[in-house]
Amino acid sequence: DGGITQSPKYLFRKEGQNVTLSCEQNLNHDAMYWYRQDPGQGLRLIYYSQIVNDFQKGDIAEGYSVSREKKESFPLTVTSAQKNPTAFYLCASRGTLAGGRNEQFFGPGTRLTVL
Amino acid sequence: AQSVTQLDSHVSVSEGTPVLLRCNYSSSYSPSLFWYVQHPNKGLQLLLKYTSAATLVKGINGFEAEFKKSETSFHLTKPSAHMSDAAEYFCVVSVDAGGTSYGKLTFGQGTILTVHP
Repeated sequence: DGGITQSPKYLFRKEGQNVTLSCEQNLNHDAMYWYRQDPGQGLRLIYYSQIVNDFQKGDIAEGYSVSREKKESFPLTVTSAQKNPTAFYLCASRGTLAGGRNEQFFGPGTRLTVL
Repeated sequence: AQSVTQLDSHVSVSEGTPVLLRCNYSSSYSPSLFWYVQHPNKGLQLLLKYTSAATLVKGINGFEAEFKKSETSFHLTKPSAHMSDAAEYFCVVSVDAGGTSYGKLTFGQGTILTVHP
């Protein structure tokens, strides 16, 4: 089955700890994205990557880091510098044919709770 | 710059009655528009998309939306609501500004649809 997987589904972290969220896709998509979702705020873009070994900050990148060493993988690290990390995190990917007119495909999400 | 406004944060309908979820957008360039649906604690699923072809777009599960450039609107409708339609719906705009393939998505705040028996 083609798609996007995120793990774990639920994640608990103590304050002051870094944690890494996994995102893998087998859609052969070049572009990948990380979003944060909070109640009543829609989705906000954290980081995106249009190609392997390249990534750009989104609207709320502070306290987060990413890497893109392989086309199929785009892990997100939530660092201790992120002041309010409790949220639902969604990963997405998009094929780059037809430019920005292609939709993004979303993973099932990871719910991170800081204790 | 681009933005999306979903005019209702909550919509409540009875099963079998029509659904209307309203969305207005602003964009400096010709936009692509999408509606996504999200069930609780799940990812987003694409319902339909407009990409400058036909202005009336049909999607999955009986939903459709009409792109009206003069009104800068892209409202989502369904003739008859089903209990399984209860979810949160997001209107999304994407602009391929300057010929790039970035395709940044801007999300509306979401509309929660409740369907009563």
